[in-house]
Formats: sequence, C-alpha cells, structure tokens
Amino acid sequence: AQSVTQLGSHVSVSEGALVLLRCNYSSSVPPYLFWYVQYPNQGLQLLLKYTSAATLVKGINGFEAEFKKSETSFHLTKPSAHMSDAAEYFCAVSLGSQGNLIFGKGTKLSVKP
Amino acid sequence: GAVVSQHPSRVICKSGTSVKIECRSLDFQATTMFWYRQFPKQSLMLMATSNEGSKATYEQGVEKDKFLINHASLTLSTLTVTSAHPEDSSFYICSARAPSVLWAESSYNEQFFGPGTRLTVL
Repeated sequence: AQSVTQLGSHVSVSEGALVLLRCNYSSSVPPYLFWYVQYPNQGLQLLLKYTSAATLVKGINGFEAEFKKSETSFHLTKPSAHMSDAAEYFCAVSLGSQGNLIFGKGTKLSVKP
Repeated sequence: GAVVSQHPSRVICKSGTSVKIECRSLDFQATTMFWYRQFPKQSLMLMATSNEGSKATYEQGVEKDKFLINHASLTLSTLTVTSAHPEDSSFYICSARAPSVLWAESSYNEQFFGPGTRLTVL
C-alpha cells in the first residue's frame, strides 16, 4: 500500500529565505509523485509532478522537487520565499496512471516579512 | 490547462435538507471524476470515484445512500448530500481526469481540481 508522510504541519520562513517542505513516500512499485498548493477556500493547484522521467522536477512559481529513490523522498524547495507563497502544500502519491491520489496531511507555509 | 468548475462555491442549508453540488470539466471530457472531502486544517479524503455511465465506487466508510453521485455525462458529475446534518459540514472538492490518450506523457494521470464547495449545515 502507498502512503505519504509530510514532516512538519507548519513551516515558517522569512521572505527571501529558502523554502524546504519535506515529503516521504511508501510504495511497493515505482510511484508517481505530486505536489499541490491550496490557498484558503480554494481547490488544489498542481505545482509539479514526477512521472519516472527526470528526477529533478521543476514546477510553477519557482518551485522544484527532487525524487530520491534511495531516501524515498520527494522534498519541495524554492530558493527564495515570497509572501504570495503562503499557503497549504500537499504531497501526493499514486500508483501509475490508474491509481488514485493518496495525499499527505499537508504543510502550512507561513512567510514572514 | 484543463479547467474544472464547481457550483455552488458556498451553500448554507438547514438540517434535514438535501444539497446538490455540481462538478464540470469545461474544456475536456472526463471519463473519471473524483469527490473529496476536506475537514478544517486536514488533508483531502477521497470519498468516491465515478466513471461516466456507471455506478460510483465509494471508499470504505462513506455512506453511498447519503452521498449520491451521478456521472451522467463526460463533463458533469453531481454529488448530492441527502438529509444533511451539521456533521456533514465540510469542504467538498471534485477532480476530473481525462483519458490518457488525450494527454502527453507529462500529463499522464493528472487530476484537475475544482475550486471546492463549502457546505455549512445549520
């Protein structure tokens, strides 16, 4: 069975600082991995996805994530935080094209001026 | 990108009434749609998966007689919360997935999410 663990329910950084949101997964087969962002009272927007191509994935808004099979991780990073990055971030895993998405519990990112 | 809409965005109803939420894929045909429920400050929990023209598949613990799902066309799925009670108050989000043949490899398996519906049952 697949599962996703997001370390840290709340991360706070200063504007301009590095953003690091952690995600570890468990999967018995090569996974598809996703990061979504959710702003208050809105749906989910896809930031980036890993689908067995390049291990370093670049997404929208300057975010990127690296798939590390040996560490079963897919951490999300951004070199310099912006106030507009404040939101809830969800990591998700699915088993291939037909699998449902399994979401982590989410990490709330706060950005201080 | 693909757009999914939900209507209404917010609904307040009295206990005992039924509420219908619509999910539409605006610029693509969705063979599969998903309904999620999100409690405050929690993650999304999959409620059910619906395929056009067939019965929905409900996740364990979700009452199919209470949460009626209809996927009558390739662009519309509806979720009806029957005899709603305060504990049904939540944020309901739908997503839609298009047939893989329509997408390039990079879009494989991608679900497109609606903006959500906030249900408050008094």
